[in-house]
Amino acid sequence: DAGVIQSPRHEVTEMGQEVTLRCKPISGHNSLFWYRQTMMRGLELLIYFNNNVPIDDSGMPEDRFSAKMPNASFSTLKIQPSEPRDSAVYFCASKPQGGNTGELFFGEGSRLTVL
Amino acid sequence: AQSVTQLDSQVPVFEEAPVELRCNYSSSVSVYLFWYVQYPNQGLQLLLKYLSGSTLVKGINGFEAEFNKSQTSFHLRKPSVHISDTAEYFCAVNSGGFKTIFGAGTRLFVKA
Repeated sequence: DAGVIQSPRHEVTEMGQEVTLRCKPISGHNSLFWYRQTMMRGLELLIYFNNNVPIDDSGMPEDRFSAKMPNASFSTLKIQPSEPRDSAVYFCASKPQGGNTGELFFGEGSRLTVL
Repeated sequence: AQSVTQLDSQVPVFEEAPVELRCNYSSSVSVYLFWYVQYPNQGLQLLLKYLSGSTLVKGINGFEAEFNKSQTSFHLRKPSVHISDTAEYFCAVNSGGFKTIFGAGTRLFVKA
């Protein structure tokens, strides 16, 4: 079975540009999470969705960040405009229906560098 | 509120030596506990989990962890490490809801 698929794996952009990261969760999983990983702050939860509905976006750092989940098989995280401090690895993770045990399935991440 | 503290940011160890990575948590309710491993340039993958029952949990790659409720700890152990175990290890806690809280990570470096 395919795991969580993220694209692009690497993105280098200039400050002020719009960045869109994409995620396809595992089929049948109904919860989706976006995490950001940096050396300084570790792994931070940005936002999570349940059945395509955003449940908690309190981790989104600023209004420059937005996330959508238009259907059960696709989500985007957008940064507009991007800044150098947004440089990080962004992970998408999903969890199955009734998966209240909390086990998450992670994608391989999108490494973003903002110059 | 829940929190997770990984007591060591880096652990260097020689190959075939035993290792323990320490994790303490705080929570006012019952929790589920996890250890994840992250190899370079990869996402996190589950190593093992404690949900209930036996406090000694065995995972993949010869790792095990012991849940100690009185000490609120969930330390990860391996009796003999390999070079291939070099990775970052994350302890995580979930109380049955949507949110999983991760520790800051412990970088295990296995030397030949």
